[in-house]
Amino acid sequence: GAVVSQHPSRVICKSGTSVKIECRSLDFQATTMFWYRQFPKQSLMLMATSNEGSKATYEQGVEKDKFLINHASLTLSTLTVTSAHPEDSSFYICSAKANYGYTFGSGTRLTVV
Amino acid sequence: AQKITQTQPGMFVQEKEAVTLDCTYDTSDPSYGLFWYKQPSSGEMIFLIYQGSYDQQNATEGRYSLNFQKARKSANLVISASQLGDSAMYFCAMGPLGQGGKLIFGQGTELSVKP
Repeated sequence: GAVVSQHPSRVICKSGTSVKIECRSLDFQATTMFWYRQFPKQSLMLMATSNEGSKATYEQGVEKDKFLINHASLTLSTLTVTSAHPEDSSFYICSAKANYGYTFGSGTRLTVV
Repeated sequence: AQKITQTQPGMFVQEKEAVTLDCTYDTSDPSYGLFWYKQPSSGEMIFLIYQGSYDQQNATEGRYSLNFQKARKSANLVISASQLGDSAMYFCAMGPLGQGGKLIFGQGTELSVKP
């Protein structure tokens, strides 16, 4: 139980375009979803916390207008990287707290060319 | 502010031997949970073990055990009988007890198991 499905797993996009990443809780309701970013060989850095039906809470230093987060339902949260640039290339992973701990999506490897 | 520290960027262990991955934390909150995750090269986060701040006994899950020393604010992961498949990044994390709240992660330790 407590599965989070994340798509896409990999995406390559051109500089200046936008990319949407989806995370769906399959067998539970996730009122809160956490979005992390991870550079190679580094830790997971929390970008923002999305709350169903309300605005996301962004961590210090994270650009709200660049990383748009929407949590429109109890089972879906999306992260849109707007006007992507090569420096946005990274591994993005979502997480939700379920009954027995935190469950993670499988991650999205974004490459901006 | 809460903080998690892993001071071992990389560790090597011989197959079938035990290895300890260090984790220290800092928090002023008396209620917290400590987690260990394994991240293979595929990127998925695999939950290994959990310890609550009020748990009296050290957590164990198969070959994994957590050496919880509350006074020293340490939560080291012990992997017994290492296997080649244990080679991965390992992250220590801390979060609040109960519902809600974010996880914060340590820097990670890259474990390599030698045949």
